[in-house]
Amino acid sequence: GQQVMQIPQYQHVQEGEDFTTYCNSSTTLSNIQWYKQRPGGHPVFLIQLVKSGEVKKQKRLTFQFGEAKKNSSLHITATQTTDVGTYFCAGSIYSGGSNYKLTFGKGTLLTVNP
Amino acid sequence: NAGVTQTPKFRILKIGQSMTLQCTQDMNHNYMYWYRQDPGMGLKLIYYSVGAGITDKGEVPNGYNVSRSTTEDFPLRLELAAPSQTSVYFCASSATTGLGGYTFGSGTRLTVV
Repeated sequence: GQQVMQIPQYQHVQEGEDFTTYCNSSTTLSNIQWYKQRPGGHPVFLIQLVKSGEVKKQKRLTFQFGEAKKNSSLHITATQTTDVGTYFCAGSIYSGGSNYKLTFGKGTLLTVNP
Repeated sequence: NAGVTQTPKFRILKIGQSMTLQCTQDMNHNYMYWYRQDPGMGLKLIYYSVGAGITDKGEVPNGYNVSRSTTEDFPLRLELAAPSQTSVYFCASSATTGLGGYTFGSGTRLTVV
């Protein structure tokens, strides 16, 4: 079945350092989504990328979708303590009719030392 | 709008007991999902529904049952609780499946002892 691998599993940074998490799929994706889960909280949708090679920015966050639509990355510039949490990617593939199957990666836990 | 509401937030069950986790959404979403989250293991899909009266198994359905009698509600039933069902359970909904983001509830933390 479809697998979505995410690395690293954990990342600890000093406040102000940059952070990147990577997501790889075994199959070509229709789109990729990114979520953030604060400690003790629930996943919150951040963004969706659809087009090959797409790059989107949200303030200090930059999201990329690979040319082959099999990989993606999330880069945070100059981390802040508010960035702490687990970042999940979720890859979507078409599964027939009007349905798509979304598979979540295991997430990257980011901790930030102030 | 309240979004996706889950109850209860916490529950301790004894082995063999049963319970229902409630989930309701007020966004008129057709698609609803139940996930469980274990530490370091990401989100695993238990069951999902594409509309009232239609449900289907996800990745880890054993030991669970669902129903979808209305668009708003998607309860998850645990029969004969086992320690392996200790987890955090999230309900989610979406306007479409796999296109556009999912809205998650705040979760139910379940411990089976």
